[in-house]
Amino acid sequence: DTAVSQTPKYLVTQMGNDKSIKCEQNLGHDTMYWYKQDSKKFLKIMFSYNNKELIINETVPNRFSPKSPDKAHLNLHINSLELGDSAVYFCASSLGATNEKLFFGSGTQLSVL
Amino acid sequence: GENVEQHPSTLSVQEGDSAVIKCTYSDSASNYFPWYKQELGKRPQLIIDIRSNVGEKKDQRIAVTLNKTAKHFSLHITETQPEDSAVYFCAATINTGGFKTIFGAGTRLFVKA
Repeated sequence: DTAVSQTPKYLVTQMGNDKSIKCEQNLGHDTMYWYKQDSKKFLKIMFSYNNKELIINETVPNRFSPKSPDKAHLNLHINSLELGDSAVYFCASSLGATNEKLFFGSGTQLSVL
Repeated sequence: GENVEQHPSTLSVQEGDSAVIKCTYSDSASNYFPWYKQELGKRPQLIIDIRSNVGEKKDQRIAVTLNKTAKHFSLHITETQPEDSAVYFCAATINTGGFKTIFGAGTRLFVKA
């Protein structure tokens, strides 16, 4: 069983469209995250949720809206996609809110044309 | 602001040699320092971590050292093997009203057979 699973694995879309990425973890962790990895491999935190509550919102444009229906799921919706949104988006989870021992999903490669 | 610097950006070694990657962090309140390995096209995976109350930790061929005074920490890989080839990320965790992990820019390690 995959510990942290995210879908889709690849997402190719036109500028201006709206898209969603889903993430689920079966580890029983309390905290989930979204990270963005750009073309230079730089990993940057976007959001973190602890028990469905937003903890970190790292100055991400409000076109990005995370939603956590329960502590096992953290989805990411992106409105009005721009070229600069092209990146790999990783979901992750950890047992507690201290960010220790992150488990990452396999990533979603988003390409905005 | 919060920053983690990592050097070198690329490292090429011969199989069997040692590899050392160095990082510095800016926030003296950081107390948790993980290292993640990311193989090509795969997710980042935790390989070793160290807390601020420990100076050194070893796990088989991998060791991490921490100098809190200098705000330096390093990853040492001994007896490198071709399967060690990957991008390695250092990171430091800070608490800004919520914990977040700041990643270094990554080191691409090539181990030549």
